[in-house]
Amino acid sequence: AQSVTQPDIHITVSEGASLELRCNYSYGATPYLFWYVQSPGQGLQLLLKYFSGDTLVQGIKGFEAEFKRSQSSFNLRKPSVHWSDAAEYFCAVGASGGYQKVTFGTGTKLQVIP
Amino acid sequence: SQTIHQWPATLVQPVGSPLSLECTVEGTSNPNLYWYRQAAGRGLQLLFYSVGIGQISSEVPQNLSASRPQDRQFILSSKKLLLSDSGFYLCAWSSQPGLASYEQYFGPGTRLTVT
Repeated sequence: AQSVTQPDIHITVSEGASLELRCNYSYGATPYLFWYVQSPGQGLQLLLKYFSGDTLVQGIKGFEAEFKRSQSSFNLRKPSVHWSDAAEYFCAVGASGGYQKVTFGTGTKLQVIP
Repeated sequence: SQTIHQWPATLVQPVGSPLSLECTVEGTSNPNLYWYRQAAGRGLQLLFYSVGIGQISSEVPQNLSASRPQDRQFILSSKKLLLSDSGFYLCAWSSQPGLASYEQYFGPGTRLTVT
């Protein structure tokens, strides 16, 4: 069975600083990997996805993530954080199959301070 | 472009009352549909998924049920709500397998409080 671990429950960064959110997955084959962002009281918005090919993927809002098979990781990065990036971030792993089961991590809440 | 709607946005219901949450998708056909529940401080728990009209699979035993009466309509129901049913309910859709697009797209959610 697939699983996702987001080891950091809460992270605080200063505006303008760089950001890296950690994600480790467990899956027996090549995974489908996703990062979503959720603002309070809102649904989840897809930031980026990895299916195959280039291991560094670019997403919306200036985010990128790198797939590292040897480390079973898919960390999310942003070079300079904006106050509007404060939200909760979810990593997810998907498996191929009849209904495309996706397993979500428990999320990392990002706080941005001036 | 595709759009997913959920209503109501907020709901306060007494214990023992019935529930009906609705989700509709526009701009796509024959999507896979999903209901998730999100509890405070926890991730998303998949409740139900559907690969077609009338086809519902449940991931966890619970007090809830789901139905898909039309291709792009997904309904979450309960005959008698429990306090533990409180939470944030999210509907999502994805394309059918083979279309090279496995990501799920989420609606705005329904905040349910059972009192």
